[in-house]
Amino acid sequence: SQKIEQNSEALNIQEGKTATLTCNYTNYSPAYLQWYRQDPGRGPVFLLLIRENEKEKRKERLKVTFDTTLKQSLFHITASQPADSATYLCALTSGGSYIPTFGRGTSLIVHP
Amino acid sequence: DAGVIQSPRHEVTEMGQEVTLRCKPISGHNSLFWYRQTMMRGLELLIYFNNNVPIDDSGMPEDRFSAKMPNASFSTLKIQPSEPRDSAVYFCASSSNEEQPQHFGDGTRLSIL
Repeated sequence: SQKIEQNSEALNIQEGKTATLTCNYTNYSPAYLQWYRQDPGRGPVFLLLIRENEKEKRKERLKVTFDTTLKQSLFHITASQPADSATYLCALTSGGSYIPTFGRGTSLIVHP
Repeated sequence: DAGVIQSPRHEVTEMGQEVTLRCKPISGHNSLFWYRQTMMRGLELLIYFNNNVPIDDSGMPEDRFSAKMPNASFSTLKIQPSEPRDSAVYFCASSSNEEQPQHFGDGTRLSIL
């Protein structure tokens, strides 16, 4: 069966360090992958989209990589700040579908 | 840009009662999605509409759940009768087309006693 795995344990890092979050998947042929940020009591907010033929995407302090051989996406936040503390969700959309399937998210806590 | 607007933000009701959740998508967006989020199951798609027409409702748990989109600026998700296991946060999201990233509302936190 199709599965998306994100680390359920919170990631704690010190301000200024690079945070790296992982999204692994099985039994998918994703056309594209998205990363969203969710704050407590709020809906998810779109951050980045990367397509299957792209290796890397950047936006300001954010970087996403996509390895379809390893079936993995890495999400990096450089020079992390306490304001980056949130839950980060990855979402996969298979070719021929318009419906993303979301992972359960990883909580990031950046300590000052 | 007002964003996706959901109401109510919180709903507490007794089991057996009818619950109606409302959503106003972003103007000009023609795809609308209803999700349910719980700690156990994460974010699950219930139904999605394209141009006001339901395209995929395979995520709707059972006949107690129904959704409508009478026009491009309004959608409802109804649960009748409600049960305690329906307690969750319900999100509505819209996108300019099916392939574009989704814009989420801030959800309705539903508690069925």
